Amino acid sequence: GQQVMQIPQYQHVQEGEDFTTYCNSSTTLSNIQWYKQRPGGHPVFLIQLVKSGEVKKQKRLTFQFGEAKKNSSLHITATQTTDVGTYFCAGPTGTASKLTFGTGTRLQVTL
Amino acid sequence: NAGVTQTPKFQVLKTGQSMTLQCAQDMNHNSMYWYRQDPGMGLRLIYYSASEGTTDKGEVPNGYNVSRLNKREFSLRLESAAPSQTSVYFCASSRDRVPLGYGYTFGSGTRLTVV
Repeated sequence: GQQVMQIPQYQHVQEGEDFTTYCNSSTTLSNIQWYKQRPGGHPVFLIQLVKSGEVKKQKRLTFQFGEAKKNSSLHITATQTTDVGTYFCAGPTGTASKLTFGTGTRLQVTL
Repeated sequence: NAGVTQTPKFQVLKTGQSMTLQCAQDMNHNSMYWYRQDPGMGLRLIYYSASEGTTDKGEVPNGYNVSRLNKREFSLRLESAAPSQTSVYFCASSRDRVPLGYGYTFGSGTRLTVV
């Protein structure tokens, strides 16, 4: 079945440093979504990418969808302590409505 | 607008006991889902309901049953709890069969411990 892997599993940065997480799917995706989960919280939808090579920005966050639509990345510029949490990518499975979530990257930011 | 409401928030069960996790959404979404989250495993789909009156198995359905009671409510039942079912359970809903631009809305989760 479809697998969605993310690297790294965990990253610890100093506040102000940049951060990138990578998402790789075993199959071509029609679209990819990104979610953020704060410690002890629930996943919150951030963004969806649909087009090959698409790049979207949300303030300090930059999301990219690969040309082959099998990979994606999330880059955070100048991290802040409010960026702490786990970031998940997710892609649709088959023709149904269900999403397969990546394994997640946990980001820790210290002063 | 409460979004997705899950009850209870915490639960401790003894092995073999049964319980039902409740989920309700007030966004008029068609699709609803149950995921479990374990450390290092991400979110794994247990069951989903693409529309009222339909349910389908996800990746890890064994030991669970679901009921889509109406458009708003989607419950998850553990008939005979096992320690392997200790996890955090999230209910989610989405507007479309394949979410277009809106993503899933998640509930706050149920933290279940089976001893």
